[in-house]
Amino acid sequence: GAGVSQSPSNKVTEKGKDVELRCDPISGHTALYWYRQSLGQGLEFLIYFQGNSAPDKSGLPSDRFSAERTGGSVSTLTIQRTQQEDSAVYLCASSLRKAGGPNTGELFFGEGSRLTVL
Amino acid sequence: DAKTTQPPSMDCAEGRAANLPCNHSTISGNEYVYWYRQIHSQGPQYIIHGLKNNETNEMASLIITEDRKSSTLILPHATLRDTAVYYCIVRRGSQGNLIFGKGTKLSVKP
Repeated sequence: GAGVSQSPSNKVTEKGKDVELRCDPISGHTALYWYRQSLGQGLEFLIYFQGNSAPDKSGLPSDRFSAERTGGSVSTLTIQRTQQEDSAVYLCASSLRKAGGPNTGELFFGEGSRLTVL
Repeated sequence: DAKTTQPPSMDCAEGRAANLPCNHSTISGNEYVYWYRQIHSQGPQYIIHGLKNNETNEMASLIITEDRKSSTLILPHATLRDTAVYYCIVRRGSQGNLIFGKGTKLSVKP
């Protein structure tokens, strides 16, 4: 499809296990964002990738969280030794940044990956 | 980025205009005002953004005060499908990050 694709859509895991969440951004989009949303809460920024620049990791809640973006396209968010408080919907978004100009700000979001840690 | 203040909730009658306010009194000259909304169980959706001038698109209108310290998102004819949480965000144009606040929960009622 033409939109942001995330997988898996649902993931149930046991406390202490590692999980990987995948995001396929819109083709050609240079910026990629990860957010998470706990039940009934707002969106919490996690990490932001822009082209070949160093990612903005300022939102990662602990060193158990990491993310990679390979080849400037697909991104994987990894959560090690999952805890129950990690249960949330993890949302990925991408946007197209025009070189030399301001980012238009239009982020296109995927449907999210719902993570449940038992 | 400058912070924004929005009412936690609002009601609107179907077919009426919904006017959602946002205060951003510490906004800087190079910061844009963005609006997104999130319908239940979906990812957020971009609505509109602006710098100084009022903006209009097929979804909504954005009215920014002359001093840029506040703005209003207008949905001219609200429908039940417009029930969502609406987020007002200010951000520097060259900065990639987008920080969401708590937003306004708009309930459109028949």
